[in-house]
Amino acid sequence: AQKVTQAQTEISVVEKEDVTLDCVYETRDTTYYLFWYKQPPSGELVFLIRRNSFDEQNEISGRYSWNFQKSTSSFNFTITASQVVDSAVYFCALSLINFGNEKLTFGTGTRLTIIP
Amino acid sequence: GAVVSQHPSRVICKSGTSVKIECRSLDFQATTMFWYRQFPKQSLMLMATSNEGSKATYEQGVEKDKFLINHASLTLSTLTVTSAHPEDSSFYICSARDLQGSSYEQYFGPGTRLTVT
Repeated sequence: AQKVTQAQTEISVVEKEDVTLDCVYETRDTTYYLFWYKQPPSGELVFLIRRNSFDEQNEISGRYSWNFQKSTSSFNFTITASQVVDSAVYFCALSLINFGNEKLTFGTGTRLTIIP
Repeated sequence: GAVVSQHPSRVICKSGTSVKIECRSLDFQATTMFWYRQFPKQSLMLMATSNEGSKATYEQGVEKDKFLINHASLTLSTLTVTSAHPEDSSFYICSARDLQGSSYEQYFGPGTRLTVT
């Protein structure tokens, strides 16, 4: 069975500060996808990134960056120069790369509040 | 981009009644749709996997007779909460997998907030 742990339940930072959201996962499979989703107060899930287990390259997209380390089973997410619009709940998730069994296992989420 | 809609977005019903929630893939075909439930301030929990033309696969602990899922076409899956009770009040989210896609990406609907009084 798969498991995703987001140890940080809530984080508050002052606007313009950098913040890192932690994600640790467990799986016995060697092929899987890792995801990050943003859920604003409206409730709709916003896809942020998908990372293949074979690709350990870090990725940067604007103010967002992701650090994938298989050695520690972690997939951390950093927001640089945070903005109030970044306030949301962020979920890390994992799915196996296995046709017909690609259901997502979500972490418990981290509620991020950016203080103006 | 792939769009998934849900209807209704919000519904309030009385205890004992049944509620149907629709999940549609608007611009792609989906052989597989997933139904998730999210209680306030909690994570998303998979309820069932819905495959077009076959019976849904329910996760452990989810009552299949209470949460009826029908995936009658490649663009529509429905979740019916039968004899709803206040403890069924939750945010229900569906997702759909693009038939043509090879990336295993799921596209999420906007969710349906169910309140049972």
